[in-house]
Amino acid sequence: AQSVAQPEDQVNVAEGNPLTVKCTYSVSGNPYLFWYVQYPNRGLQFLLKYITGDNLVKGSYGFEAEFNKSQTSFHLKKPSALVSDSALYFCAVRDNTGRRALTFGSGTRLQVQP
Amino acid sequence: DADVTQTPRNRITKTGKRIMLECSQTKGHDRMYWYRQDPGLGLRLIYYSFDVKDINKGEISDGYSVSRQAQAKFSLSLESAIPNQTALYFCATSGPEALTDTQYFGPGTRLTVL
Repeated sequence: AQSVAQPEDQVNVAEGNPLTVKCTYSVSGNPYLFWYVQYPNRGLQFLLKYITGDNLVKGSYGFEAEFNKSQTSFHLKKPSALVSDSALYFCAVRDNTGRRALTFGSGTRLQVQP
Repeated sequence: DADVTQTPRNRITKTGKRIMLECSQTKGHDRMYWYRQDPGLGLRLIYYSFDVKDINKGEISDGYSVSRQAQAKFSLSLESAIPNQTALYFCATSGPEALTDTQYFGPGTRLTVL
């Protein structure tokens, strides 16, 4: 069965500094990987996805993610954090069975301090 | 208007009561999902449906049932609610992006079972 690990419950970063939110995964077959963001009292919003091709994926709001097959990682990054980036971030992997559902990590809360 | 809507947004009920959560979408997607979110656990799959006649259990379907009334509507029922079903419930849809299955989420229903 597939799984996703987000080893940090919370990441704190100062505004203007680069940020990284870590994610590692386990899945049989080709990995289809996603990042979602959840703002307070809101649903999950799609940020970006990796299917194939370039290991650096660019997404919404200036976020990008780096896929590393050998380390089975898909870390979310942003060169310069904003206070408005403070939210809960989820990494997910699509299962390669017929369900094609997503398996989510436990989430990482990003806190950007002014 | 939002593409994926959920009603109610908040609900407080008592143990033993039957409750229905509703999801509607205007994206024209065939695939619909129900997840629950618990703190520190991420989102877990309850049920999914690939079309009106195709309903499938997810990892945590015990105590839940679903109905796909139309392509655009997918309801989740708790036949006899219990306190450990207190959670945030999300509906999601995905469409004909066959290789990627990007899922789009509703705003969620916060359910409290007393």
